[in-house]
Amino acid sequence: AQSVTQPDIHITVSEGASLELRCNYSYGATPYLFWYVQSPGQGLQLLLKYFSGDTLVQGIKGFEAEFKRSQSSFNLRKPSVHWSDAAEYFCAVGSTTDSWGKLQFGAGTQVVVTP
Amino acid sequence: DTGVSQNPRHKITKRGQNVTFRCDPISEHNRLYWYRQTLGQGPEFLTYFQNEAQLEKSRLLSDRFSAERPKGSFSTLEIQRTEQGDSAMYLCASSLSGSEAFFGQGTRLTVV
Repeated sequence: AQSVTQPDIHITVSEGASLELRCNYSYGATPYLFWYVQSPGQGLQLLLKYFSGDTLVQGIKGFEAEFKRSQSSFNLRKPSVHWSDAAEYFCAVGSTTDSWGKLQFGAGTQVVVTP
Repeated sequence: DTGVSQNPRHKITKRGQNVTFRCDPISEHNRLYWYRQTLGQGPEFLTYFQNEAQLEKSRLLSDRFSAERPKGSFSTLEIQRTEQGDSAMYLCASSLSGSEAFFGQGTRLTVV
C-alpha cells in the first residue's frame, strides 16, 4: 500500500534562512508527487508536482523539490524564506486510478518563521 | 470564476442531527473530490466523481455518509446521524481529467 511520511511535524526557521521539508513515500510504481501549502483559513494550494523528467522541479513562490528514487524522497526547499511562508505544508502522492486528484497526503509540517 | 466554493464555511450541529454541505467546482471541471481533514492530520480521500458518476468511495465513507453530483455540476455531501467523531474540516476539490486539482476553503463541522 502506498504511504507518505513527513518526519517533521513542526519546523521553526528565521526569515531569510533556508528551508528544507522532508517527504518520504512508499509506492509500487513511478509516483505522481505533489507539495501543497495550506495557510490558516485557506484551501490547499499546489506548490509543485513531479511525475517524470527532470528530478529537480521548480514551483511557485520560489520553492523547488528534488525527486530521489533511490531514497524514496521528494524534499521541498526554499533558499530564503519570507514571513509569508509560515503555513502548513503537505506532501502527497497520486493514486494509480487518478494520479492528479485522488491523493494520499502526509500528516503535514507546520512552518513557523521568526523575525 | 473565483475557484472552488464550499458552503457553509462553518457548521455546528448536535449529535444525531443530519447535515449537508455543498461544493461548487470550477466551471467545466469534470472531476470533483471530497476529503476530510482532522486536526493535525493531512486530508484523507473520501470519494470522487467524474461528471455525475461516483467512481470511487473510500472505506472511510461509512453508510451514514452520502455524496451526490446531480447533472455533473455542484456536489453535496450529507452526513446522517452525526457523531462527535465526524467533527473535521471537509474539503472539496475539482479538476479536469489529467490536470491539477484545485481545493476549496473547506467546511468546518463541529458536532456537540
